[in-house]
Amino acid sequence: DTGVSQDPRHKITKRGQNVTFRCDPISEHNRLYWYRQTLGQGPEFLTYFQNEAQLEKSRLLSDRFSAERPKGSFSTLEIQRTEQGDSAMYLCASSLQTHYEAFFGQGTRLTVV
Amino acid sequence: AQSVAQPEDQVNVAEGNPLTVKCTYSVSGNPYLFWYVQYPNRGLQFLLKYITGDNLVKGSYGFEAEFNKSQTSFHLKKPSALVSDSALYFCAVRGLEYGNKLVFGAGTILRVKS
Repeated sequence: DTGVSQDPRHKITKRGQNVTFRCDPISEHNRLYWYRQTLGQGPEFLTYFQNEAQLEKSRLLSDRFSAERPKGSFSTLEIQRTEQGDSAMYLCASSLQTHYEAFFGQGTRLTVV
Repeated sequence: AQSVAQPEDQVNVAEGNPLTVKCTYSVSGNPYLFWYVQYPNRGLQFLLKYITGDNLVKGSYGFEAEFNKSQTSFHLKKPSALVSDSALYFCAVRGLEYGNKLVFGAGTILRVKS
């Protein structure tokens, strides 16, 4: 499978715990994006990378959220001290710099109990 | 700021009939417009895009969309709906002055009944 892959697909955690999600983009894509989607809403932009550089962060991304993309390959999104409001689907996408559409992974569904 | 509106929460259509899912946008400068489809518990799948050129763009699975600059619209269409087209559809816009991010509408549920 040469698409965008995300791990895990589902995560249930207790409030206050830290969680980390991984995204492996399409191999030749140098742009990588994180979005969050809640029920009944469209995806909301969180952050994006061009290679290993994090170029933009949304104001939605509080200090508890951090993303990395070491070596410009896979990316991780960590949420510290999770809150119930963090429950959502976290989507990763990648694109070629010279193209405009992004290709999405299947998402990680986070439930904070 | 750039934004996207999908005025219909749900569209119902009979199999074999034409379908339209509406989208209007607001962005300064030239818009880059996209349609994505999402099936239950799945990620978003790219359907088609408008960057420049012909106002009618064709995409995957027989879908097409018409860009109308004067009405700031980018409606998704298909001449003959299939039951398997039932899904959640998102319109998205990217404006170059706002960087590289896609801004999505709230989505429209399409139900095709046999």
